Amino acid sequence: EPEVTQTPSHQVTQMGQEVILRCVPISNHLYFYWYRQILGQKVEFLVSFYNNEISEKSEIFDDQFSVERPDGSNFTLKIRSTKLEDSAMYFCASSELARGYTFGSGTRLTVV
Amino acid sequence: AQSVTQLDSQVPVFEEAPVELRCNYSSSVSVYLFWYVQYPNQGLQLLLKYLSGSTLVESINGFEAEFNKSQTSFHLRKPSVHISDTAEYFCAAGVTGGGNKLTFGTGTQLKVEL
Repeated sequence: EPEVTQTPSHQVTQMGQEVILRCVPISNHLYFYWYRQILGQKVEFLVSFYNNEISEKSEIFDDQFSVERPDGSNFTLKIRSTKLEDSAMYFCASSELARGYTFGSGTRLTVV
Repeated sequence: AQSVTQLDSQVPVFEEAPVELRCNYSSSVSVYLFWYVQYPNQGLQLLLKYLSGSTLVESINGFEAEFNKSQTSFHLRKPSVHISDTAEYFCAAGVTGGGNKLTFGTGTQLKVEL
């Protein structure tokens, strides 16, 4: 069964550093997403991406965040200057249509 | 804005007993609903989904959920749980024509005991 692949599984970074979280969506999917889950809290929507542009973003997704599809297979989330409160599990997801999601296994980001 | 409520943060249950995990959503417009399961230190796995059609949906491992429009609910049930069902369960909702984002509930920790 096709999977959404995320790397790395765990990343530790110092406050103020830039991080890039990587995702390989399912190949025939057209919609891509990032969600995050702060430890012990619910999963929150960050951004959706379709046709090479952001289609929707939440208020969490401020200027510190950006997404990119640098080639035909990868989908990345960049955090420019990490803060302690950015520590969370970040999930990538993709879908063929608007309503069928497949999530990756997540990247646990720890900002120290 | 869509909201999803999971009233029970933890549900302890004995093995082979039935269980119901409650989920209520807020939107009155056309909605689609999911249940995801998360095992410790793992990602989100789709358990089942309601998009349209039959209001009762089933998963391959014995879970079922019923879409109830009048009560705006999508409760998850299993007639007999197993130790391996111990996990966090998240209900999520999206709105047709409201973009592609999903709104998640706060999760319910199901703990199955012997």
